[in-house]
Amino acid sequence: DTGVSQNPRHKITKRGQNVTFRCDPISEHNRLYWYRQTLGQGPEFLTYFQNEAQLEKSRLLSDRFSAERPKGSFSTLEIQRTEQGDSAMYLCASSLAGRRAEAFFGQGTRLTVV
Amino acid sequence: AQRVTQPEKLLSVFKGAPVELKCNYSYSGSPELFWYVQYSRQRLQLLLRHISRESIKGFTADLNKGETSFHLKKPFAQEEDSAMYYCALSSGSARQLTFGSGTQLTVLP
Repeated sequence: DTGVSQNPRHKITKRGQNVTFRCDPISEHNRLYWYRQTLGQGPEFLTYFQNEAQLEKSRLLSDRFSAERPKGSFSTLEIQRTEQGDSAMYLCASSLAGRRAEAFFGQGTRLTVV
Repeated sequence: AQRVTQPEKLLSVFKGAPVELKCNYSYSGSPELFWYVQYSRQRLQLLLRHISRESIKGFTADLNKGETSFHLKKPFAQEEDSAMYYCALSSGSARQLTFGSGTQLTVLP
């Protein structure tokens, strides 16, 4: 599968622990997005990278969340001091630059905070 | 701020019947709208976008700026169309997507 890859697929963690997710985009894509999806809702935008620069952050991205894309390739999303409200599916998407470029999604990481 | 509304969480139709999934949006600029589909156990994927004005898998969607709608239609539903459908709007310099809450379509035999 040469699409967007996310690891792990599932993560169960205790409240208060830190977790980190990884996203490997399609190799030539310079845009990378993180979204969060809770039960019964559509995905909500969290943050956006163009190459290694983080250019947009949603107000949903609290201080406990940090994302990086150090070499403009893979990205990580870290949540510190997890809370039960952080339980959700975390989706990564990538695209080429350009107004009409299609975003390709990964299969997501499902986080459960107990 | 932009908003996408899909009023139906669940929609069931019989095979061969027409289907229409509703989507309304609010956006102050010139909208760019999409339909995404997620089949069971698969990732979210683009179905169609309004600028292409094309038919994909028999589905079409017309942007109606007067009614701020982008409804998805298919004249004859097939069982393999059963899936979750999301309407989305692209905005901002990042072209991030604002999604509706989705409609689960079930096509009955």
